[in-house]
Amino acid sequence: GAVVSQHPSWVICKSGTSVKIECRSLDFQATTMFWYRQFPKQSLMLMATSNEGSKATYEQGVEKDKFLINHASLTLSTLTVTSAHPEDSSFYICSAPLAGAVGTDTQYFGPGTRLTVL
Amino acid sequence: GENVEQHPSTLSVQEGDSAVIKCTYSDSASNYFPWYKQELGKRPQLIIDIRSNVGEKKDQRIAVTLNKTAKHFSLHITETQPEDSAVYFCAALLSGSARQLTFGSGTQLTVLP
Repeated sequence: GAVVSQHPSWVICKSGTSVKIECRSLDFQATTMFWYRQFPKQSLMLMATSNEGSKATYEQGVEKDKFLINHASLTLSTLTVTSAHPEDSSFYICSAPLAGAVGTDTQYFGPGTRLTVL
Repeated sequence: GENVEQHPSTLSVQEGDSAVIKCTYSDSASNYFPWYKQELGKRPQLIIDIRSNVGEKKDQRIAVTLNKTAKHFSLHITETQPEDSAVYFCAALLSGSARQLTFGSGTQLTVLP
């Protein structure tokens, strides 16, 4: 099956610092990847769509200057949380869709990154 | 855009009983409906999915039904086991939406031994 990895799995940082999270598709190419944020006991909220070779598209209410996304290759997307604050502490998960013979849209999720901002 | 509602938010069943989780969606153009299982602190795992041209799909103890007219779909788990305890999310994919999934709010399923 399709495998998506994320790094790091957890990070603790001081307020005001920047944190970079990597999302990789290990055995397939992904022209599109999605970044989600999940607060405790809540659902996955889509933050942005990462597009290889073009700018990311952000959901309403997500600050593009704070959450920088770079889709550098067909297997790597990065999310940088700039000037992180305690309210940014959350579980960040990426996903990548796997296209199938009938244009399927099965999405495979990375293991997530637990960000704690002190 | 799409809106997905999921019920119930919590569900407790005795081991061996069945569990049913229901979701409704708003946009009739949605055509793909996956269900994910998420254990605490882990990634969502796809457990079953269904497309709009199919009314029902079954995989061992898990089944999903889709009623396009009513715009709702349900997850059925039979012969529940303690390891089925987790949070389950339904989702809908809007056709032509750049493949963005819209998730339900989740159901915490607890299977009591």
